[in-house]
Amino acid sequence: AQSVSQHNHHVILSEAASLELGCNYSYGGTVNLFWYVQYPGQHLQLLLKYFSGDPLVKGIKGFEAEFIKSKFSFNLRKPSVQWSDTAEYFCAVNAGAGNMLTFGGGTRLMVKP
Amino acid sequence: DVKVTQSSRYLVKRTGEKVFLECVQDMDHENMFWYRQDPGLGLRLIYFSYDVKMKEKGDIPEGYSVSREKKERFSLILESASTNQTSMYLCASSPPPTSGHSYEQYFGPGTRLTVT
Repeated sequence: AQSVSQHNHHVILSEAASLELGCNYSYGGTVNLFWYVQYPGQHLQLLLKYFSGDPLVKGIKGFEAEFIKSKFSFNLRKPSVQWSDTAEYFCAVNAGAGNMLTFGGGTRLMVKP
Repeated sequence: DVKVTQSSRYLVKRTGEKVFLECVQDMDHENMFWYRQDPGLGLRLIYFSYDVKMKEKGDIPEGYSVSREKKERFSLILESASTNQTSMYLCASSPPPTSGHSYEQYFGPGTRLTVT
């Protein structure tokens, strides 16, 4: 069965610091990749997605992610975080099993003002 | 905008009670999902449905059942609630693969269920 790993469970950064959250998956075939974000008290919403084409994907709020097929990775980045980026971030993978997504364990990001 | 609503934000039930969690989506999506979200474990799929009256088990179906009598509504049922089912329950829906938004799921606000 496919699995998704997010190695950082908790990340604390100061405002303006750069962010990189790791995501690795186990499936070797064609994948569709997602990052979702859950702000405190709000529902999960899509941050960005990769289906095909340019492996560097840009999403909302200045986030981007890079798909590196050889490393089975889809890391999330932001050059300069803001206090409002405090949230929990989830990586998810669709690996051809219908419309199902497999989610990672999540990374809680706290940005100190 | 896609809207997915869940019947309750917070619910407290006693051990052994039958619990119904309701989810409604307004975008005519074929696919609907129920997850539970637990700290450090992310989202785990309980059941999903790709059409009315159709259901498939996810990764952790034990202790749960589902019902989909209408396309817009997907219900999660805990036949006899137990304390280890205390969790956040999330419902999601997704459009068909041909829509250009394939595999993208839209989530409801969640129901935090406490079983005492």
